[in-house]
Amino acid sequence: RKEVEQDPGPFNVPEGATVAFNCTYSNSASQSFFWYRQDCRKEPKLLMSVYSSGNEDGRFTAQLNRASQYISLLIRDSKLSDSATYLCAVNDRTGKLIFGQGTTLQVKP
Amino acid sequence: EAGVAQSPRYKIIEKRQSVAFWCNPISGHATLYWYQQILGQGPKLLIQFQNNGVVDDSQLPKDRFSAERLKGVDSTLKIQPAKLEDSAVYLCASSLFSQRNEQFFGPGTRLTVL
Repeated sequence: RKEVEQDPGPFNVPEGATVAFNCTYSNSASQSFFWYRQDCRKEPKLLMSVYSSGNEDGRFTAQLNRASQYISLLIRDSKLSDSATYLCAVNDRTGKLIFGQGTTLQVKP
Repeated sequence: EAGVAQSPRYKIIEKRQSVAFWCNPISGHATLYWYQQILGQGPKLLIQFQNNGVVDDSQLPKDRFSAERLKGVDSTLKIQPAKLEDSAVYLCASSLFSQRNEQFFGPGTRLTVL
């Protein structure tokens, strides 16, 4: 089992739709969780940290479910500009970040 | 605030040649990371520095890869000799503290080994 797993997609959604991605992790002791956005041929950019109480930033909401060991990212009212790959990152037992392979989102007009 | 700087942006070499990448982290960031990202995969950590000391190099192929951060600021990553499977994007990232772990990435160096 991979330490951090994501459905690679692609998720194809129309503009205005709500879409959610999950990311499962294997280390129950993980303490740090992040979502990054990566555009084609660009570097990953930090989208948001994921806290135990959840985190909301505009149309984006991140949640942590420790019992089931996954984090989620919800995007409301999808825009064409949201098309990208979304990477989750979780720290392992040594503290270093492990990235998932990413989930590709395509928002269609 | 200036971001993480990397150079070169692109490099094409033949197998068995050597190559070096340079990174300058965000000013004041004590922790510096080198990642390898192969197409279709997430970034994989190669080495982590805290100031000028190595914190984690467990996934660095030490027979061919080396990295240094002599003065605790900028860093170089070297591959010698390169193999075809080293074709990837090499990303440098930095963070204020290793514990906090909010990492900010540079634009990367896209390496093609022929």
